[in-house]
Amino acid sequence: DTGVSQNPRHKITKRGQNVTFRCDPISEHNRLYWYRQTLGQGPEFLTYFQNEAQLEKSRLLSDRFSAERPKGSFSTLEIQRTEQGDSAMYLCASSSTRTGWNTEAFFGQGTRLTVV
Amino acid sequence: DQQVKQNSPSLSVQEGRISILNCDYTNSMFDYFLWYKKYPAEGPTFLISISSIKDKNEDGRFTVFLNKSAKHLSLHIVPSQPGDSAVYFCAAGGSEKLVFGKGTKLTVNP
Repeated sequence: DTGVSQNPRHKITKRGQNVTFRCDPISEHNRLYWYRQTLGQGPEFLTYFQNEAQLEKSRLLSDRFSAERPKGSFSTLEIQRTEQGDSAMYLCASSSTRTGWNTEAFFGQGTRLTVV
Repeated sequence: DQQVKQNSPSLSVQEGRISILNCDYTNSMFDYFLWYKKYPAEGPTFLISISSIKDKNEDGRFTVFLNKSAKHLSLHIVPSQPGDSAVYFCAAGGSEKLVFGKGTKLTVNP
């Protein structure tokens, strides 16, 4: 296992379509995070899971966004009825709390979404 | 409400000199601080971290300093190399999510 893997790397979709992204975390990591990054901004928190439980969702995450992490392994982020404002880099990260609460999160390469 | 602020959008230094990147935070509940480096079209890469019980952590050319009373941390890179040119993000957290600053673009000129 070489790190956090995200698929696809790029996605172009028409406004109004649904899209789904996948994240495979580092295998022994029990926490998984989704962030969104737009140009000139830092990563903005969307949601995170500890094992299969979704523990927090940001106000940024509208009803059109849903994330799952079945069985506490990979995660999916779905955006329904995409809007042009959804265009961004979607980043997934994972970390382990088994050695303590304060541990670094490792990021994947991201999925670049363009809504046209 | 920006809880983590990087007030310098960009910084340019000469190869071999010191690069100092600064970060301020407002939430006194933060007790863990990290620096990430990001190249275009890639995800952030973890660089170095510091716990609030320390005021300095060093790893090779990278040193992070934490001033809790001022709610300020800085990343020193000595000596700077052209390969260090990237966007650097400061992040802060506790037992849950990390909160990121907007980043500082570092350019190291040969």
